[in-house]
Amino acid sequence: EVQLVESGGGLVQPGGSLRLSCAASGFTFNNYWMHWVRQAPGEGLVWVSRINGDGSSTSYTDSVQGRFTISRDNAKNTLYLQMHSLRVEDTAMYYCARDQDGLGYWGQGTLVTVSS
Amino acid sequence: QSALTQPRSVSGSPGQSVTISCTGTSSDVGGYNYVSWYQQYPGKAPKPMIFDVTQRPSGVPDRFSGSKSGNTASLTISGLQAEDEADYYCCSYAGTHAVFGTGTKVTVL
Repeated sequence: EVQLVESGGGLVQPGGSLRLSCAASGFTFNNYWMHWVRQAPGEGLVWVSRINGDGSSTSYTDSVQGRFTISRDNAKNTLYLQMHSLRVEDTAMYYCARDQDGLGYWGQGTLVTVSS
Repeated sequence: QSALTQPRSVSGSPGQSVTISCTGTSSDVGGYNYVSWYQQYPGKAPKPMIFDVTQRPSGVPDRFSGSKSGNTASLTISGLQAEDEADYYCCSYAGTHAVFGTGTKVTVL
């Protein structure tokens, strides 16, 4: 059974940093591109970033480019999102998702709150 | 990287059909056959309903169907049921990126 479990969310002050993790199981992790998607409270889904299977190719939405870094450790079957210079507007539930047949599998999300 | 445009809400009575549109550009919806649709209940993770414009994942009822014409994709729910009341989002690949729609709330009257 495919499982994606996010962790690492929490309360952080503006300008702070946080690293999210997504532990994957039930499939051959390095065979799949992975994505991060976020959803601010009461708002819609927003694509954040994606990474290919071996980690050699990444892309980001404009609003996080230069502040966020997506990475993966295929030996640990884990996806990461390192977030720096956090802003109030980065407050959201962050989901990881597996790329196949669209975003075919999603985790339950981890909540990031940026507030002073 | 502008969000795809969806109607804010659509509604229908049980048994009726509703269609949700998703309008983008030739750089996203119109340029790729990689449009997907997601159903989301409050407080829950999104659930895939359609991928590659018209394909249904295993377990999704055939009441859900997808199509595309030009820069606009559509999700049709036929034989609307109470449990279909949820938010729906389209998503399209756009080269190295992906972009979601603004979301549509489906209300079953």
